[in-house]
Amino acid sequence: DIQMTQSPSSLSASVGDRVTITCRASQSISRYLNWYQQRPGKAPNLLIYGASSLQSGVPSRFSGSGSGTDFTLTISSLQPEDFATYYCQHSFSTPRTFGQGTKLEIK
Amino acid sequence: QVQLQESGPGLVKPSGTLSLTCTVSGDSISSINWWSWVRQPPGKGLEWIGEIHYSGGTNYNSSLKSRVILSVDKSKNQFSLKLSSVTAADTAVYYCARGAFSYFYAMDVWGQGTTITVSS
Repeated sequence: DIQMTQSPSSLSASVGDRVTITCRASQSISRYLNWYQQRPGKAPNLLIYGASSLQSGVPSRFSGSGSGTDFTLTISSLQPEDFATYYCQHSFSTPRTFGQGTKLEIK
Repeated sequence: QVQLQESGPGLVKPSGTLSLTCTVSGDSISSINWWSWVRQPPGKGLEWIGEIHYSGGTNYNSSLKSRVILSVDKSKNQFSLKLSSVTAADTAVYYCARGAFSYFYAMDVWGQGTTITVSS
C-alpha cells in the first residue's frame, strides 16, 4: 500500500498569510494527487485534483503543485473561511490512501 | 447537480453487521465513475474503505477486506456497504462519494455523512 505523509500536522496562521502544506507519497504516484478541505461537522470538499487542477468553484487562491512523490498545497492569502483541516489523497492505485490531515488554525 | 445520500441505522450492536446504502441522483450508477465509501472515527482522519464499479468490479482497503462487501443496485441507482463483525473501533461517520474518472478518480461529490455507533 502507498503511504501518504502530510506536514505539518497543524499550523497556526493569520488572515492574509501565505500557507503551504506538504504531502509525500511512499512511492511515485505520477500526478494522481488530490487535496480536500474539511470544515467541522461537514463532508470533505475537493479542492485540487491531478496535483494541480483547480476544482470548479474553488477560489484561485488555492493552488497545487508536484509530481512523483512530493506535492504541495498553497493558499496564497488566507481568508477566514479557510481555517479547516486539509487532507491529501492519492488515486494512483488502490487502496486510495489519505494523508493524516493538517489542521489550519487562526493565530 | 449530482447528489449522494447515505441511509442506514445509526446504531449497530457489537459483532453485528453494519449496512449502509447510498442513493445517487443526477448521475447514473452505470457511468464510467467509481463509487466509494470513506469513514472518519470521532476526532480522527479519513479512511478509505473501498469502491465499486457498476460492472461489479470492487477494490477494498486491505485492512477491512475480510469484513467488507460492496454491491450495486442499478435499478435503484444505489450502492451499498456491508461491514461484518463490527466493534467499537468501527464507530465513525461514514461517507459515500463519487470517484470521478474525469478527475483522476478524485472524489468530487460526497454525501453528507451518517454517524454509526457500535454499542450494545
